[in-house]
Amino acid sequence: DTAVSQTPKYLVTQMGNDKSIKCEQNLGHDTMYWYKQDSKKFLKIMFSYNNKELIINETVPNRFSPKSPDKAHLNLHINSLELGDSAVYFCASSQASGNSPLHFGNGTRLTVT
Amino acid sequence: KQEVTQIPAALSVPEGENLVLNCSFTDSAIYNLQWFRQDPGKGLTSLLLIQSSQREQTSGRLNASLDKSSGRSTLYIAASQPGDSATYLCARIATVDSNYQLIWGAGTKLIIKP
Repeated sequence: DTAVSQTPKYLVTQMGNDKSIKCEQNLGHDTMYWYKQDSKKFLKIMFSYNNKELIINETVPNRFSPKSPDKAHLNLHINSLELGDSAVYFCASSQASGNSPLHFGNGTRLTVT
Repeated sequence: KQEVTQIPAALSVPEGENLVLNCSFTDSAIYNLQWFRQDPGKGLTSLLLIQSSQREQTSGRLNASLDKSSGRSTLYIAASQPGDSATYLCARIATVDSNYQLIWGAGTKLIIKP
């Protein structure tokens, strides 16, 4: 009955590989997000995506690309993984109004070796 | 039950005033506490992160404090501006069984009147 689910929970891979993290929400929300949590547990938004617009954070390398097959899914693809990509990645969703709380997934811990 | 409460739920003040937003939590074994602002359609913007061992953090006109003994955090905004209008959220961040757990307050909707 999970509202926002992301898989896998853990992902260990080598430098240079391409990987994907999947996210699904069953809340009927219009907006989904990807956040990166760094080693100091600071959450930074990477992307937000709704039915009408994809907003890309300029500080995110273009190796990261969100893909949304429908409004209930927002997957994160990462090409040519680097050591610095190691972090916990959180997916979230909300109503498009912006005044509703965000619902977060449990996170995916990515380790690049 | 772990809870995070934010008071007030909404606040409207004239431009230029200093103001304080409050966040209280029931679990004193806090790990980190983070303040965000939420603008419509743009998700969250991280403002300040206070780690469990710290008492305050400052960034520009913002100052966030953490008092674990009383279970409170405050976000002080100096010389408020219309651009500060947004919903401000605090979140308690903890690690539970190797899972990151975020407990969110409901937010304070701030309106700065020109």
